[in-house]
Amino acid sequence: EAGVTQSPRYAVLQEGQAVSFWCDPISGHDTLYWYQQPRDQGPQLLVYFRDEAVIDNSQLPSDRFSAVRPKGTNSTLKIQSAKQGDTATYLCASSLRQGGAETLYFGSGTRLTVL
Amino acid sequence: GEQVEQRPPHLSVREGDSAVITCTYTDPNSYYFFWYKQEPGASLQLLMKVFSSTEINEGQGFTVLLNKKDTRLSLNLTAAHPGDSAAYFCAVSEPSNTNKVVFGTGTRLQVLP
Repeated sequence: EAGVTQSPRYAVLQEGQAVSFWCDPISGHDTLYWYQQPRDQGPQLLVYFRDEAVIDNSQLPSDRFSAVRPKGTNSTLKIQSAKQGDTATYLCASSLRQGGAETLYFGSGTRLTVL
Repeated sequence: GEQVEQRPPHLSVREGDSAVITCTYTDPNSYYFFWYKQEPGASLQLLMKVFSSTEINEGQGFTVLLNKKDTRLSLNLTAAHPGDSAAYFCAVSEPSNTNKVVFGTGTRLQVLP
């Protein structure tokens, strides 16, 4: 079974540039998460979807970040105008709805550097 | 919401020694807990998922202890070996929404030969 796939692996930008991250979850997983992991810190939830619907985006900086999952499968996270403070690894995870807390399966992440 | 504190941030042990990583959480109603391992440049891999009804959880080469009274979760690596060198993260599901998983800040473990 293929795992969670993310691309690109790395991205380097100047401040003010835009960037998109792409995620392909495990086939059949209905829930998809985007996490931000600054260097030497734990992952912090940005947004998560159940199928195509956004369930919680309360931690997503809405003025510059957007995330979509139009067909309930792949997802794109976009930063419109990157800032140096956005430098981090962006992790995508997926899970399958079941009774109790779902186990998250993570991709390898996209490491973003904003100069 | 739930808050998770993890200690120590860095840990160095000799091969064969034990290594203990501890997390404290704030919501005593939390009932799902996780430990993840992240090797350099790799994704987070689930080590163990723990439900609050079990206080002692045995894995392969490690034990996870849950102290609900003190809202503390610990990972004890017994007889650590160099392959255990990685970052370890605890995580706690918010009881009001178990899809919201709050992670600790991580422990960078180095096992020296």
